[in-house]
Amino acid sequence: GAGVSQTPSNKVTEKGKYVELRCDPISGHTALYWYRQSLGQGPEFLIYFQGTGAADDSGLPNDRFFAVRPEGSVSTLKIQRTERGDSAVYLCASSLTSAGGGSDTQYFGPGTRLTVL
Amino acid sequence: AQTVTQSQPEMSVQEAETVTLSCTYDTSESDYYLFWYKQPPSRQMILVIRQEAYKQQNATENRFSVNFQKAAKSFSLKISDSQLGDAAMYFCAYRKYNNNDMRFGAGTRLTVKP
Repeated sequence: GAGVSQTPSNKVTEKGKYVELRCDPISGHTALYWYRQSLGQGPEFLIYFQGTGAADDSGLPNDRFFAVRPEGSVSTLKIQRTERGDSAVYLCASSLTSAGGGSDTQYFGPGTRLTVL
Repeated sequence: AQTVTQSQPEMSVQEAETVTLSCTYDTSESDYYLFWYKQPPSRQMILVIRQEAYKQQNATENRFSVNFQKAAKSFSLKISDSQLGDAAMYFCAYRKYNNNDMRFGAGTRLTVKP
């Protein structure tokens, strides 16, 4: 079956603009995660959804960042008033469940590279 | 706070040889998971191997194996019979047992020489 997909692959925007990044998880996966990967760094956790609800948003850096998952499948990460420091690769991952035993293995998408000029 | 440290920014190995990538982590938890992910230039993170902290036996997946030293908080990855396709960034990651955010190290770039 299809893996995690993310669109767009690349996004260039100007400082102060609003952007939306989309994630399509693997069909049937109830858990969805967003990470941010800055250049030369490992991914950094942003937010985790279980179903439609944000179960843990402790990684969101500030209130300019917001994410939704209205129907428990596709998720959108929204960034308002973008700043140059927001430039990074935004990775999405999904897992079958959030429980243990291997079903919580996270499968990643290819990411969206966001560049804020 | 849990942190993951990869002390080798870059490593190089000759094709068909063996290489070991280092990872240490800091935690006060007794139950947790450890992972090695591979990230090729395509950016997609691919799970290489997973270890549950309560298991004493080291995980293995074909040519990939780990040396998990719980007391030392060390989790190294050994790649045997290295292949050109193994060239990538490798990230070590930690996840607390009842938590869903993974903490990643800064990565090790592995080059495989033909």
